[in-house]
Amino acid sequence: AQKITQTQPGMFVQEKEAVTLDCTYDTSDQSYGLFWYKQPSSGEMIFLIYQGSYDEQNATEGRYSLNFQKARKSANLVISASQLGDSAMYFCAMREVNNNDMRFGAGTRLTVKP
Amino acid sequence: IAGITQAPTSQILAAGRRMTLRCTQDMRHNAMYWYRQDLGLGLRLIHYSNTAGTTGKGEVPDGYSVSRANTDDFPLTLASAVPSQTSVYFCASSLSPAVHHEKLFFGSGTQLSVL
Repeated sequence: AQKITQTQPGMFVQEKEAVTLDCTYDTSDQSYGLFWYKQPSSGEMIFLIYQGSYDEQNATEGRYSLNFQKARKSANLVISASQLGDSAMYFCAMREVNNNDMRFGAGTRLTVKP
Repeated sequence: IAGITQAPTSQILAAGRRMTLRCTQDMRHNAMYWYRQDLGLGLRLIHYSNTAGTTGKGEVPDGYSVSRANTDDFPLTLASAVPSQTSVYFCASSLSPAVHHEKLFFGSGTQLSVL
């Protein structure tokens, strides 16, 4: 069963605007980690941000923040003040306790327009 | 620069041929992983290794084998390639296995086409 769902195959945002990339997940564990990775056209996977299931505060890393709503099982990525270099594929992922597999969503392709 | 090195960067392979994708890390991470990336499916785990000398199956292991003779190297072998194995393959590592708060470090990927 798909554990990570990203419902937006593609998104467009105007430069300097904020954008939210959606991610919902499914788990019965109480302890888990949520991750976002960026994959630019060059192909490498770049770690952006992490949120632990017991973290009370939403994670932030520079222009990236994670809108974590545990009861709704959602972990949306918010990018503020979009830049042209933010154009890339973005993957949401989850890691459960004692599970060797980090599960990934299908990804969202973000295009920043000048 | 510390990290994960994958080779080759890309390869075109005839169906039925044997192929080994190489992966080496210099971070002394205990756990290593092989993922394949397919459009619309994200990344899926093929095989993993929690420590040198041990390996395990992931979500899509059929047609692939791995070995972990030492900490640094984790090659992936396709014994007899089929067109459905056309994909981008990523090797990854983490300091500890099966720890939910540890991120994965990725190599730059291998684009494999099986004709």
